[in-house]
Amino acid sequence: EDQVTQSPEALRLQEGESSSLNCSYTVSGLRGLFWYRQDPGKGPEFLFTLYSAGEEKEKERLKATLTKKESFLHITAPKPEDSATYLCAVRPLWPGNTGKLIFGQGTTLQVKP
Amino acid sequence: GAVVSQHPSRVICKSGTSVKIECRSLDFQATTMFWYRQFPKQSLMLMATSNEGSKATYEQGVEKDKFLINHASLTLSTLTVTSAHPEDSSFYICSANPRTGNTGELFFGEGSRLTVL
Repeated sequence: EDQVTQSPEALRLQEGESSSLNCSYTVSGLRGLFWYRQDPGKGPEFLFTLYSAGEEKEKERLKATLTKKESFLHITAPKPEDSATYLCAVRPLWPGNTGKLIFGQGTTLQVKP
Repeated sequence: GAVVSQHPSRVICKSGTSVKIECRSLDFQATTMFWYRQFPKQSLMLMATSNEGSKATYEQGVEKDKFLINHASLTLSTLTVTSAHPEDSSFYICSANPRTGNTGELFFGEGSRLTVL
């Protein structure tokens, strides 16, 4: 069964304290791994797509990496405005004719000034 | 990035009534849209895939007679919660992929908070 597990469930950081969020996945085949940011009461906002092991992508203070079993979202010197829930999702190879995503439970990040 | 719009953002209704939620792709055409449901402090669960010009595909356990989906055009999909009950109260989010095929990211709407009294 295709599955996505994120850890930790919640993370509290001081402003400037770097850390990483983990996303472990089990899929029959990976068509893509996605990171989203979700603010309370809002829809997910797209951050990154990773397609193959070894791939890395960066955007401001965020950097996403991918291995064959997991992905990390590294947050460097976070600011309070980075506080949000970060969702990881995978698009499995099968079924092949849909674009649906399987989401993890999310990591809720709180950055204190 | 691509913009997906949902309306209404919040709706409160009485038990037994029906509620319609709209999802529009504003700057691209989407032959396929997806409807997700999210309970508090939980992740998104796919309910159904909305296909333009054909019937929606529902995930296992989702009642198709209760959650009616109509993909009226290449830019509009609607979700109607029929005979709503308090347990249907949830955050409903639609998404669409501006690219054809199965590549690329899904862009999400702002979500619609349904409260059934």
